[in-house]
Amino acid sequence: AQSVTQLDSHVSVSEGTPVLLRCNYSSSYSPSLFWYVQHPNKGLQLLLKYTSAATLVKGINGFEAEFKKSETSFHLTKPSAHMSDAAEYFCVVSGGSYIPTFGRGTSLIVHP
Amino acid sequence: EPEVTQTPSHQVTQMGQEVILRCVPISNHLYFYWYRQILGQKVEFLVSFYNNEISEKSEIFDDQFSVERPDGSNFTLKIRSTKLEDSAMYFCASRGDRQETQYFGPGTRLLVL
Repeated sequence: AQSVTQLDSHVSVSEGTPVLLRCNYSSSYSPSLFWYVQHPNKGLQLLLKYTSAATLVKGINGFEAEFKKSETSFHLTKPSAHMSDAAEYFCVVSGGSYIPTFGRGTSLIVHP
Repeated sequence: EPEVTQTPSHQVTQMGQEVILRCVPISNHLYFYWYRQILGQKVEFLVSFYNNEISEKSEIFDDQFSVERPDGSNFTLKIRSTKLEDSAMYFCASRGDRQETQYFGPGTRLLVL
């Protein structure tokens, strides 16, 4: 069994300030973890993924995430938010069956 | 870069009508998936498809739903008799052999009136 908890439904930041989107997971298998972004009226775009290699994963658009097994976390960060980062972000866990489980999503709001 | 495509982008239908949502997966991928996202809710798995048959399906995927790969490129989701609660965004995804990452299409927004 596997599950994902995104701890914040909304995160609001000012442009130029750091972003932290939190994700905790549980999995019976060694998990693969993903972050996807969904801009309004768009599909899901892969930001980054962890698949048992380096625990600090760098993705597109300056995002990165750190896999912490002891904390069962995979938080998404970015040093400096941009207006174009405003979107819905989904943390996803995939285990042995390759059927991913999605978190409920975190809406990132970026203020000028 | 290859991508998954879906048609139509939007569809409006009357309750009880049949709809077919179409997807063209990435050409060398072998595993295909359908998901749905009801407005304001999380993305939910519907069905996975490999080697011309369903490999897994969720409890959402009842007898009203079917999937097909009618030719070498398309992957379709049919809803036989739509209900109001079928209104959602439907995403198709595909992945290659021994790859974990699924690549998602842009989605079809279905509205059942």
